[in-house]
Amino acid sequence: QKEVEQNSGPLSVPEGAIASLNCTYSDRGSQSFFWYRQYSGKSPELIMSIYSNGDKEDGRFTAQLNKASQYVSLLIRDSQPSDSATYLCAVNTDKLIFGTGTRLQVFP
Amino acid sequence: DAGVIQSPRHEVTEMGQEVTLRCKPISGHNSLFWYRQTMMRGLELLIYFNNNVPIDDSGMPEDRFSAKMPNASFSTLKIQPSEPRDSAVYFCASRLGQGEKLFFGSGTQLSVL
Repeated sequence: QKEVEQNSGPLSVPEGAIASLNCTYSDRGSQSFFWYRQYSGKSPELIMSIYSNGDKEDGRFTAQLNKASQYVSLLIRDSQPSDSATYLCAVNTDKLIFGTGTRLQVFP
Repeated sequence: DAGVIQSPRHEVTEMGQEVTLRCKPISGHNSLFWYRQTMMRGLELLIYFNNNVPIDDSGMPEDRFSAKMPNASFSTLKIQPSEPRDSAVYFCASRLGQGEKLFFGSGTQLSVL
């Protein structure tokens, strides 16, 4: 079992819709969780961090964490074509492990 | 702050040659990570350092790979001898401390012919 798992996609949503990205992890000792966005040919950039169970909102982005289910998700409201990118889930124990990413396509 | 600085941006070399990738972390950050990214395997952790000391190198693929961090402001990743399957984007990243967010460099695109 991979340490961090994501559906590779692509996930295609129309402009203005909600995009839902999911991630599961295997290490119950994981303490902090991150979502990174990566445009083609660029380096990953941080979108959200979450440390405790529940929801955390920042603008159009909401991160959700459920440690009992070992599940992290990212919701993007009012999706825009500029949100089209690969979204990487990262889980931290003592080191930061990334999932393989979900490619999101937002079409006009 | 200039961010994490990697060099070179692109490297094209022939099989069997030595390749050295360089990284300058953000000043004051005490953890440095080296990742390799390919389409097939995603972003793989190769090795990370805390306070210049290698903590976990279990991701280093084989003895051809080595990494050093002689001081807090510089790290190298060396491949000797290089092979075509080493072709990938290599990222260096740093963070302030445990649990903090990671800042990435621009990456080095390595092509081994």
